[in-house]
Amino acid sequence: AQSVTQLDSHVSVSEGTPVLLRCNYSSSYSPSLFWYVQHPNKGLQLLLKYTSAATLVKGINGFEAEFKKSETSFHLTKPSAHMSDAAEYFCVVSPVTSGYSTLTFGKGTMLLVSP
Amino acid sequence: KAGVTQTPRYLIKTRGQQVTLSCSPISGHRSVSWYQQTPGQGLQFLFEYFSETQRNKGNFPGRFSGRQFSNSRSEMNVSTLELGDSALYLCASSLGAGGDTQYFGPGTRLTVL
Repeated sequence: AQSVTQLDSHVSVSEGTPVLLRCNYSSSYSPSLFWYVQHPNKGLQLLLKYTSAATLVKGINGFEAEFKKSETSFHLTKPSAHMSDAAEYFCVVSPVTSGYSTLTFGKGTMLLVSP
Repeated sequence: KAGVTQTPRYLIKTRGQQVTLSCSPISGHRSVSWYQQTPGQGLQFLFEYFSETQRNKGNFPGRFSGRQFSNSRSEMNVSTLELGDSALYLCASSLGAGGDTQYFGPGTRLTVL
């Protein structure tokens, strides 16, 4: 079984300040972990993916995430928020060894960026 | 390389009708998964197809069904529509192995009146 908990439903930041979106996971299998972003009325866009090659993963648009096995966390960060970052972000877990591609999504965190 | 495409983008149906949604995966991808997104339940897995076979199924009633063709294109069908079926239906494709990155289409917005 696998599950994802996104610790904040909404995060508000000012443009130019750091972003931290928190995610904890559990998985019976060795997991792949993802962050996706969804802008209003759009599909999901992949930001980054962890697959055990490196614990610090760099993604698109300046985002990165750090995998911490001891804390079962995969928090998403960005040094400086931009207005265009305002969107909903999903932390996602997928089992690597089960043979299935099923994704389990967190409830999402809405990022609000003010000028 | 073209991304995942879904048709139609918007649909309006009435209760009791049935609907078919279509998904064309990225060229070379053999796995197609379907998800339902609603404000209350979030993103929920419907089913996954790989090489024309349903490989996994989520916890949805039998009114929800799908299939995959030999060219990896997939369709999902919802029969006897209910108001609660109103949602954004997202299709994702991947190469096929567990843990593969899934790439999402723009979704089909279904409204049931």
